[in-house]
Amino acid sequence: ETGVTQTPRHLVMGMTNKKSLKCEQHLGHNAMYWYKQSAKKPLELMFVYNFKEQTENNSVPSRFSPECPNSSHLFLHLHTLQPEDSALYLCASSRGESGPSYEQYFGPGTRLTVT
Amino acid sequence: AQSVTQLGSHVSVSEGALVLLRCNYSSSVPPYLFWYVQYPNQGLQLLLKYTSAATLVKGINGFEAEFKKSETSFHLTKPSAHMSDAAEYFCAVSGTPVSSNTGKLIFGQGTTLQVKP
Repeated sequence: ETGVTQTPRHLVMGMTNKKSLKCEQHLGHNAMYWYKQSAKKPLELMFVYNFKEQTENNSVPSRFSPECPNSSHLFLHLHTLQPEDSALYLCASSRGESGPSYEQYFGPGTRLTVT
Repeated sequence: AQSVTQLGSHVSVSEGALVLLRCNYSSSVPPYLFWYVQYPNQGLQLLLKYTSAATLVKGINGFEAEFKKSETSFHLTKPSAHMSDAAEYFCAVSGTPVSSNTGKLIFGQGTTLQVKP
């Protein structure tokens, strides 16, 4: 596997379910991100982890719970979601160090549908 | 604070025609600027980036962008559009790094490029 991988690629869940999204990066990066991409809306940054520490939480509802056990893995735990949470959830990683290289590398995303 | 505005949510060109996607930024510090492309049902792929070296930046797939500080612009161009260029394009800005802001990007709303045969 290379780059950033996400599983599952598609997920349908009811509002009372609990599920988790997984992201893994194979780039040796130290920063990881969760984004939400809804139709006709700009990308919304949800969480940032830098060297396994959460450095940003953009007022995300508590029904979304991130976990970063190490610099290569990032999870997004989901529970009691609402239909408006249906979206493409993108994971990204970057070097996470001071320096000129701030580009982020994205996974293919998980298409989430809440019924 | 940084911000990005992409002019035109939808651009349509004929195959072989010039592609021009517009991006204007606002930043209180020297910016780093990026263009990403997203094909249907995929994540974002980096096309090119500006990090204060040459103002004309060349990227993948024949795309390039020019940083113009006086116009606070970073427009994306390609001399000749190909059908495979049809996708959504995002401009993004990142400020000079500070320890608590490492790697954070601010994205524009995206521009959908349609290429007609």
